[in-house]
Amino acid sequence: QVQLVQSGSELKKPGASVKVSCTTSGYTFSNYAMNWVRQAPGQGLEWMGWINTDTGNPTYAQGFTGQFVFSLDTSVSTAYLQISSLKAEDTAVYYCARSVSSGHYFRFDPWGQGTLVTVSS
Amino acid sequence: DIQMTQSPSSLSASVGDRVTITCRASQSISSYLNWYQQKPGKAPKILIYAASSLQSGVPSRFSGSGSGTDFTLTISSLQPEDFTTYFCQQSYTSPYTFGQGTKLEIK
Repeated sequence: QVQLVQSGSELKKPGASVKVSCTTSGYTFSNYAMNWVRQAPGQGLEWMGWINTDTGNPTYAQGFTGQFVFSLDTSVSTAYLQISSLKAEDTAVYYCARSVSSGHYFRFDPWGQGTLVTVSS
Repeated sequence: DIQMTQSPSSLSASVGDRVTITCRASQSISSYLNWYQQKPGKAPKILIYAASSLQSGVPSRFSGSGSGTDFTLTISSLQPEDFTTYFCQQSYTSPYTFGQGTKLEIK
């Protein structure tokens, strides 16, 4: 079955960087775009952007440029989210989510289990 | 950006009740509307896409309707496992924004 498995929780100091992985299985990696979604503690869902898993071209939502980088390693069917210059307000659960289309419509399915990134001195 | 507003933010109901959650878009999004369920400590799970299409494997007590700016998620007969949080999301245009969530609680 289709699975997205993310790397484990991270505790980082302000100013550090972190790289979250999303390893996929059960489907052809390059056939489906990968999205990243942030959920701050007790808050809603924010779409951060997506990466074309065929070309590697990333698209970032406003507010997620500069500090955030999406990348791929197609040899191991894995997507990555790197966050640099971490601040306390970056503390959140970060999810990867595959885009699935039906005609003109798409949805996110499935999602990874989430990776909690905690930024604290 | 398209703003998605859910109402109510929280809702108390009993097992067996029929409940409706509303999602309103700040501009027309045709039928480009998804509904997700999120249980505590877990990732969201797709329930409904394209406003009214039931995702495979999702119980038929869940249904969606609407188009344009106003949408609803209906649960026809609440089960104990349904008391959790629901989000809508527009897939009409980037950024693909979510509603703020509706928490369904046991009365």
